[in-house]
Amino acid sequence: EDQVTQSPEALRLQEGESSSLNCSYTVSGLRGLFWYRQDPGKGPEFLFTLYSAGEEKEKERLKATLTKKESFLHITAPKPEDSATYLCAVQTGGTSYGKLTFGQGTILTVHP
Amino acid sequence: DSGVTQTPKHLITATGQRVTLRCSPRSGDLSVYWYQQSLDQGLQFLIQYYNGEERAKGNILERFSAQQFPDLHSELNLSSLELGDSALYFCASSVVSYTEAFFGQGTRLTVV
Repeated sequence: EDQVTQSPEALRLQEGESSSLNCSYTVSGLRGLFWYRQDPGKGPEFLFTLYSAGEEKEKERLKATLTKKESFLHITAPKPEDSATYLCAVQTGGTSYGKLTFGQGTILTVHP
Repeated sequence: DSGVTQTPKHLITATGQRVTLRCSPRSGDLSVYWYQQSLDQGLQFLIQYYNGEERAKGNILERFSAQQFPDLHSELNLSSLELGDSALYFCASSVVSYTEAFFGQGTRLTVV
């Protein structure tokens, strides 16, 4: 069974204090790893897709990286508006088709 | 705005009742997914349709059913509702199965 574990569960940062969120996964045949951002009461917002180990993607203050066992979401000089829950999800092939298996998320709070 | 539209936004109903949640995917997307999000379980995959056909099934209860219509909109039917069915229900869509999925704003179901 596919498993996704995110750490830490919660992270409190001061504005400008860079840090990283971790997503470790155990799957049989990774097809893609996805990062989403979710604000309270809203639907997850797509951020990145990573397909192979060594791949990196960047968007504004966020950078996602992928190894064979885990992914990191690096947040550089965060601002209060970056506060949200960050979700990691994996997609495998075969009969899973487009199914995403999500981790429990990391709740990020950035204080001004 | 992801382009995925879900109605209604909120639904309050009594135990034993039946409800229908509706989803309009992004223009051009053939795949539709349904997810359930509760505080203790996180985001859980329920079912996927692709161009009108069921493609993948998660731990969807027998009391729940879904379909995708020729115009590609989808409906999730929940029957014999129990208190434990209270959750956020999200619809997502993607162009095909193995690309990023975009989520709607969800339907918050409260069973009293």
